[in-house]
Amino acid sequence: ETGVTQTPRHLVMGMTNKKSLKCEQHLGHNAMYWYKQSAKKPLELMFVYSLEERVENNSVPSRFSPECPNSSHLFLHLHTLQPEDSALYLCASSQGRGVGYTEAFFGQGTRLTVV
Amino acid sequence: LAKTTQPISMDSYEGQEVNITCSHNNIATNDYITWYQQFPSQGPRFIIQGYKTKVTNEVASLFIPADRKSSTLSLPRVSLSDTAVYYCLVGDGRDDKIIFGKGTRLHILP
Repeated sequence: ETGVTQTPRHLVMGMTNKKSLKCEQHLGHNAMYWYKQSAKKPLELMFVYSLEERVENNSVPSRFSPECPNSSHLFLHLHTLQPEDSALYLCASSQGRGVGYTEAFFGQGTRLTVV
Repeated sequence: LAKTTQPISMDSYEGQEVNITCSHNNIATNDYITWYQQFPSQGPRFIIQGYKTKVTNEVASLFIPADRKSSTLSLPRVSLSDTAVYYCLVGDGRDDKIIFGKGTRLHILP
């Protein structure tokens, strides 16, 4: 248990569906991240929020839409996804920015399958 | 951005000490070196962080030479449960584009 909770743990969705991934942390952290990890590929940074403001959008397609309503919650809204979007989606949080600089806590991830 | 290079994979046996070296030739003055561990289908877990010389915690040691162009993660007396991917990251907190490389896939054999 890292203190970062992601729901759901598994999700199967059709290409025309709309779904949302949820991430919650009560560690008092001020930065939150979304990462994508495809099979046998490195983690790809998707979005970074610092103090509830998006500070990084790493050339992610618009079919992925993040939302950070407060410092404890982060959402990833999904719509009209493609099969190649199937991956493990990981949320992380840290006090201060920069996963390579400050200790980041990752959730267990959501295993997404697009059919 | 300091790029890191690690071996793709390593094998070792239970009870052995394992050393994983990471190269970061263009590390900047303000950069720290951070290591994460990732088990299959889980998020990475912070292991250790250092700036120079040696850092030790209850899990591992991190050795950083004076030129800081490389670092070595040392895992003492590994067990089967240490089988995982280990990532070396370099950053100073100002750049969010920290890239997780492919990491080192460590396989511990009985």
